[in-house]
Amino acid sequence: QTVVTQEPSFSVSPGGTVTLTCGLSSGSVSTSHHPSWYQQTPGQAPRTLIYGINTRSSGVPDRFSGSILGNKAALTITGAQADDESDYYCVLSMGGGLWMFGGGTKLTVL
Amino acid sequence: EVQLVESGGGLVQPGGSLRLSCAASGFTFSTYWMTWVRQAPGKGLEWVASIKRDGSVKYYVDSVKGRFTISRDNAKNSIYLHMDSLRPEDTAVYYCARWTYSSSYFWLEYWGQGTLLTVST
Repeated sequence: QTVVTQEPSFSVSPGGTVTLTCGLSSGSVSTSHHPSWYQQTPGQAPRTLIYGINTRSSGVPDRFSGSILGNKAALTITGAQADDESDYYCVLSMGGGLWMFGGGTKLTVL
Repeated sequence: EVQLVESGGGLVQPGGSLRLSCAASGFTFSTYWMTWVRQAPGKGLEWVASIKRDGSVKYYVDSVKGRFTISRDNAKNSIYLHMDSLRPEDTAVYYCARWTYSSSYFWLEYWGQGTLLTVST
């Protein structure tokens, strides 16, 4: 079974730039997978960041951006801030009405 | 303001049943697909089930197929998740979320705060 892959963890310095990726164990991510990104801090519900590959949800700062990089969807944070320290999840359409989240990336800002 | 409020979580013994509810407000409920997403303690998010606007189409993750049933009542602006044959691995916070479709893309635009289900003796 194809699974959605994300880096388990990543670290970035304050003010730095980091790119998190969302891939498939088999195949390439494309627009047909409807990639979207979510941010979650401990004890809180997820917050929508990016949808349609590169559209920011309402109220999301422009330091967050989305793209397709090679065969993966990507979330880039430019000028990382301390409160960006969170878990980040992508979700992809797997076809046939089924969806799958990636395992999430724990981002540390230090 | 869009609001999604889940309820019905609690402690259930293995093999038991429970129904979760999600009350929606602030939007025209009957025009949106809805979904349940869960998160086991210390783990990532897992899509569980989705239901079409009129309830005519439903999709499930394999691990709950045949045990869980998603439904909706558009007159009450609510969706439900009826869960049978519960297992310890179903222990999770269950989130209700709304799908939005725009510019040819689907995404989960709004989320509830979640309700905790614990399956244990």
